[in-house]
Amino acid sequence: SSELTQDPAASVALGQTVRITCQGDSLTNYYASWYQQKPGQAPMLVISDKNSRPSGIPDRFSASSSGDTASLTISGAQAEDEGDYYCKSRDSDGKLLVFGGGTKLTVL
Amino acid sequence: EPQLVESGGGWIQPGRSLRLSCTASGFSFGDYAMSWVRQAPGKGLEWVGFIRSKVFDGTSEYAASVKGRFIISRDDSKSIASLQMSSLKAEDTAVYYCVRVTPGSDAFDIWGQGTMVTVSS
Repeated sequence: SSELTQDPAASVALGQTVRITCQGDSLTNYYASWYQQKPGQAPMLVISDKNSRPSGIPDRFSASSSGDTASLTISGAQAEDEGDYYCKSRDSDGKLLVFGGGTKLTVL
Repeated sequence: EPQLVESGGGWIQPGRSLRLSCTASGFSFGDYAMSWVRQAPGKGLEWVGFIRSKVFDGTSEYAASVKGRFIISRDDSKSIASLQMSSLKAEDTAVYYCVRVTPGSDAFDIWGQGTMVTVSS
């Protein structure tokens, strides 16, 4: 079982804002990075644990953290934002890495 | 442009060994930690392990599910990272991705296209 917990699914109306959360004890000490995966494709980084977006990632993607919860916010979601989103951080001991279970985002 | 290309996947019987390779191009391979991530069919991402750059002693860490069975190595002269998998089990069936680790961060900034490993009798 994952040490990082994500809701399995989320949905958002086109152009609206959605927040995807990731909860885990390790997040009180470590930041999360976020990845998007579309069907049949390799995942891609959307927000690093240093809260930076790779080139090509729109600024509608942002990340935040509070306590044991990290969040990815998509402001003004577009149809192309549909896909699976995964958080990643360290485990409770801080030595190993772990992914959340993933959230499937549907844009309505 | 940085690129990672995995190879070596295929069908293998339980208990056997298999070696995956990841050939890097477009960046100074030796300066980066490298990692492997897998994804079982229809499932989420699972971190497998990583190897630090030689500057940080080139040591490796592994997920509990593969520790003692999998070994990650690197050949900086050839820009290749390898994943040696032994005592393979059916639950090791997955697409295996090679990824580059952003320096000073835990982020996985470059991903290969993945190679499928099927463990079945």
